[in-house]
Amino acid sequence: GAVVSQHPSRVICKSGTSVKIECRSLDFQATTMFWYRQFPKQSLMLMATSNEGSKATYEQGVEKDKFLINHASLTLSTLTVASAHPEDSSFYICSAPGSPYGYTFGSGTRLTVV
Amino acid sequence: AQSVAQPEDQVNVAEGNPLTVKCTYSVSGNPYLFWYVQYPNRGLQFLLKYITGDNLVKGSYGFEAEFNKSQTSFHLKKPSALVSDSALYFCAVRDGRGYQKVTFGIGTKLQVIP
Repeated sequence: GAVVSQHPSRVICKSGTSVKIECRSLDFQATTMFWYRQFPKQSLMLMATSNEGSKATYEQGVEKDKFLINHASLTLSTLTVASAHPEDSSFYICSAPGSPYGYTFGSGTRLTVV
Repeated sequence: AQSVAQPEDQVNVAEGNPLTVKCTYSVSGNPYLFWYVQYPNRGLQFLLKYITGDNLVKGSYGFEAEFNKSQTSFHLKKPSALVSDSALYFCAVRDGRGYQKVTFGIGTKLQVIP
């Protein structure tokens, strides 16, 4: 079945540095990738939708300059957390439509900013 | 706007007993409904979906869900719970008209007691 590979699974970085998270679709082409953020004991919050070959669409309240999304090809979408701060620490998950109606999720990235 | 409600933060059930995790939804058009399971520090895994057809949907790991249009519900069920079923369960909905983003419930923690 459709698989989305997300890396890294865990990352610890110093405050002020940037972190890149990659999501690759394996065995299928993902023209769209959804990026979610999940806080402890809370649901998934959609941050943005990336589309191959065009600018990402950000949800209200999400800083475009902080969360940089690039959809370079039909199999790769990246999320860069620019100048990360402790409040950016969270669990980030990507998702792509992997079937006509279902969605395939990456395994998630636990970001800790110290 | 579409929304999902999972009224229970946690459900406890004894191993071998039937389990139910509740979900109600609100959407303008025809609903596409999903259940996902999440294990600690992992992405979401697809369990089942309702698009159209039979109201009773069977999914992975022995889970099933019943679509009830009049009650706008999509409760997740399993006849006999396993300890390994202990995890966080998310209900999700999207509007069936065109390609739309998915809205998730807040999640219900299922604890199966040996």
